[in-house]
Amino acid sequence: GAVVSQHPSWVICKSGTSVKIECRSLDFQATTMFWYRQFPKQSLMLMATSNEGSKATYEQGVEKDKFLINHASLTLSTLTVTSAHPEDSSFYICSAPIRVQGYGYTFGSGTRLTVV
Amino acid sequence: AQKITQTQPGMFVQEKEAVTLDCTYDTSDPSYGLFWYKQPSSGEMIFLIYQGSYDQQNATEGRYSLNFQKARKSANLVISASQLGDSAMYFCAMRELGLGGGNKLTFGTGTQLKVEL
Repeated sequence: GAVVSQHPSWVICKSGTSVKIECRSLDFQATTMFWYRQFPKQSLMLMATSNEGSKATYEQGVEKDKFLINHASLTLSTLTVTSAHPEDSSFYICSAPIRVQGYGYTFGSGTRLTVV
Repeated sequence: AQKITQTQPGMFVQEKEAVTLDCTYDTSDPSYGLFWYKQPSSGEMIFLIYQGSYDQQNATEGRYSLNFQKARKSANLVISASQLGDSAMYFCAMRELGLGGGNKLTFGTGTQLKVEL
C-alpha cells in the first residue's frame, strides 16, 4: 500500500520546451507532496512542498516561475519545468507523507530529465 | 550548518561482513525522527529503518539496525551479513517535528556502499 506512481520515468526534451512530471497516489490521499531534485552522486534537495488546493511552498533559491507545481486533487501533484535548459537536467523525485514507518514517506520512482 | 552529516562518501565491505554507515545530525528540536534510505542505481528510494527521538531502544529491521546515540547526536546504520545486493547509495535523513520543521525530510549527502566478493 501507499504507492506513489511517478511518470514519466525518463524524458528528453529540447531546450526551451516545457516538461510535465506527474505523481499520483494510487491507494491513499496525498494532501501533501514534496518535490526533490537530485544531481548525480548528490543528495536529494527539497525544491517545494505542494498541498492540495493551495499554492506550493518553494524552498529558498528555487524559481517559482520555472518550476510550476500544481496539486489540484488529493491524488495528483504535478511539476512542470518551463522553458527547460540543459542545466535543468536532473533526477526529479516526489514523496508523500504516509501513516506507516513512523509516519514516514513514500517516494515516486523518479524522473530523469535530460534537456538537449 | 549541516543538519545531517554523512562523512563517508564511499565505503567498501566484503560480502557477509558487517558495515557501519555514519550519520550525525544537528537539531535543537527535542522531537525528531531519523530515517535511513537505500537508493540503488535505478533511483528508487527504499525505506530501511526509522528511529524516533523518544524511542528508548535502538531500531532494528532484519539485517539493519540503527545505533542511536542521542547525546552524541549520531544515528549510524549497521548492516549485518552484507550481500552483493546491498551495493547502493545510502541516505540518512531527519524530520524535525517541532515549530518550523513541518513534515519535510532533510537528507545527508549519502554514502556509496560497494559490497565485494
